[in-house]
Amino acid sequence: QSALTQPASVSGSPGQSITISCTGTSSDVGGYKYVSWYQQHPGKVPKLLIYDVTNRPSGVSNRFSGSKSGNTASLTISGLQAEDEADYYCSSYTSSSTWVFGGGTKLTVL
Amino acid sequence: QVQLVESGGGVVQPGRSLRLSCAASGFTFSTYGMHWVRQAPGKGLEWVAVIWFDGSNEYYADSVKGRFTISRDNSKDTLFLQMNSLRAEDTAIYYCTRDPEAGFDYWGQGTLVTVSS
Repeated sequence: QSALTQPASVSGSPGQSITISCTGTSSDVGGYKYVSWYQQHPGKVPKLLIYDVTNRPSGVSNRFSGSKSGNTASLTISGLQAEDEADYYCSSYTSSSTWVFGGGTKLTVL
Repeated sequence: QVQLVESGGGVVQPGRSLRLSCAASGFTFSTYGMHWVRQAPGKGLEWVAVIWFDGSNEYYADSVKGRFTISRDNSKDTLFLQMNSLRAEDTAIYYCTRDPEAGFDYWGQGTLVTVSS
C-alpha cells in the first residue's frame, strides 16, 4: 500500500492554469476508474473536488477538471484564483479492496 | 443535511486502547459504506479502514491491520473504530467519511488522538 506519487508543490499566477499529477500503478490508478481529488485549506476538512476520474460533484466549480492516462491521473485548475491556494490530494481504489491517498501537493498562487 | 460527528479522541499512552465513534445524521446511514481517514500533524491524508454498508466486509491499511477494528451499528447510525496497541505514529486527527461509491463526499470535523507517555 504505497502512497500515490504527487509533486510536493506547484505554483501559478492568477488566471493561469496548473496541473497536478498523481502516479500510481496498474493495481490502483491504472486499473480502476475510482480516482478522486480533494482540496484541503489549512485547518479545514478535506473537500471532494473530482470523483471517478473526471466527475465533479454538484457545487464544485468547472474550473476543476480531472483526467487519467495509464497509471497517472491529473487534476487541472484553470483560471487560478487566490482562494485555490490549498493542499490537494488524490485517492484511488486498489486491487486489495483498499484505498490509498497521494502524499499531497501544496498549491501556491503567486 | 448530512452530518458526521466524531468523538472519543484524547491522549492515551502507548500500548493502550481507544474507541472512536462517528454519529451520522441527515442520510440513510445503512445504505452507505463508511471509512476512517487520518491525518498526522502537518502531514498528508492516510486511509485507515472501510466497512461496507451492511457491515459484511472490512478492509484495513497495512499500518493498522491487526490492531484496529472498524464496525458499525446501523440501528444507531453510528460508526466505530476500536484502536488497540496504540503507537506514537498513530497520533493524528481521525475523520469519518461517507462513501457513495463516488468519492468521499462528506467528512466529519475529526477527532484528535494523541499517543504519548
